[in-house]
Amino acid sequence: EAGVAQSPRYKIIEKRQSVAFWCNPISGHATLYWYQQILGQGPKLLIQFQNNGVVDDSQLPKDRFSAERLKGVDSTLKIQPAKLEDSAVYLCASSSASGGAETQYFGPGTRLLVL
Amino acid sequence: AQRVTQPEKLLSVFKGAPVELKCNYSYSGSPELFWYVQYSRQRLQLLLRHISRESIKGFTADLNKGETSFHLKKPFAQEEDSAMYYCALSGQGAQKLVFGQGTRLTINP
Repeated sequence: EAGVAQSPRYKIIEKRQSVAFWCNPISGHATLYWYQQILGQGPKLLIQFQNNGVVDDSQLPKDRFSAERLKGVDSTLKIQPAKLEDSAVYLCASSSASGGAETQYFGPGTRLLVL
Repeated sequence: AQRVTQPEKLLSVFKGAPVELKCNYSYSGSPELFWYVQYSRQRLQLLLRHISRESIKGFTADLNKGETSFHLKKPFAQEEDSAMYYCALSGQGAQKLVFGQGTRLTINP
């Protein structure tokens, strides 16, 4: 089966600009996750969707980050405006059911550099 | 609150030597523990989970609730084991996965 797809793979922007990332989960997976991984740290969950509803967005900086999952399939994560500290790898993952205990399948990530 | 600590950022051992990657956790309930691995130029992927109690690629991990640890072990390291390893914890119910900072394991020939 095809894995989780993400685009773009790399993005360089200047601070205060906007950026959007796209994720296509494994077909049939109801749960989709966005993680932020800062250099030298483990992935940190930003938002979790179950179908097109939000399950957990407690660590999403809502003043600048937004995410949507229309029709319960693809998802986009947006940052507006970007700050220097947003430089990180943004990982998308999906699982067949909800909850961290389910095996999560990760995409290749989008590496963002904010100058 | 859920917390995972991997005390070693870097670990280097020789091929054929035993390897142990340490993981300690903090959680008041009954946790589910996992090891995820990322090989060079590959995606992050599940290596093993404590609930299945299986050995994957020769690796095992035992949940020690008394010491709140979930160390990953392999008796004889191989060069292809070189990778970044992350310990992760999920609380009861549909709770999020919390990752440790990761340990970069290098197996020297």
